[in-house]
Amino acid sequence: AQSVTQPDIHITVSEGASLELRCNYSYGATPYLFWYVQSPGQGLQLLLKYFSGDTLVQGIKGFEAEFKRSQSSFNLRKPSVHWSDAAEYFCAVHGGGADGLTFGKGTHLIIQP
Amino acid sequence: DVKVTQSSRYLVKRTGEKVFLECVQDMDHENMFWYRQDPGLGLRLIYFSYDVKMKEKGDIPEGYSVSREKKERFSLILESASTNQTSMYLCASSFDRAPEAFFGQGTRLTVV
Repeated sequence: AQSVTQPDIHITVSEGASLELRCNYSYGATPYLFWYVQSPGQGLQLLLKYFSGDTLVQGIKGFEAEFKRSQSSFNLRKPSVHWSDAAEYFCAVHGGGADGLTFGKGTHLIIQP
Repeated sequence: DVKVTQSSRYLVKRTGEKVFLECVQDMDHENMFWYRQDPGLGLRLIYFSYDVKMKEKGDIPEGYSVSREKKERFSLILESASTNQTSMYLCASSFDRAPEAFFGQGTRLTVV
């Protein structure tokens, strides 16, 4: 069975600084990979996804992520964060079956003025 | 745009009540899912359905059941609500074996 690890429960970043959120997965083959964002009291919004091809994927809101097969990682990055980026971020993996996504436990992003 | 609609944003129920959480999607998706979200635990799969009247247990099905009588609607049922079922519940849908899932806004359930 697949699993996802997000090592950082909380991250605090100053507004305008760069951001990297870590995600490691465990799966026998190359999975489908996702990053979702959840603002307080809201559902999940898809930021970006990796299925195949170019290992650097661009998403919405200026986010990007890089798939590194050798490290089983799919880290999320943004060059300059805005106060509106404060939210919960979830990494997820899909193994291709009917049982849907497996999520990490999430990283809570705090933006300092 | 894909729309997944959960019937309630907030619910407060008493211990022992039978609770229904409803989810409707408008994209003719075959798959539908119910997740539970708790702080520090992320999202955990309760049940999923890949077709009308079909259901499969997820990782934490105990205390829950589901119903899918129509393709667009997937209901989560708490037969006898307990305080440890206080949580955020998220519904999602996707095409058959398609990786990308679309989520509803969530229902925050409080059992008192």
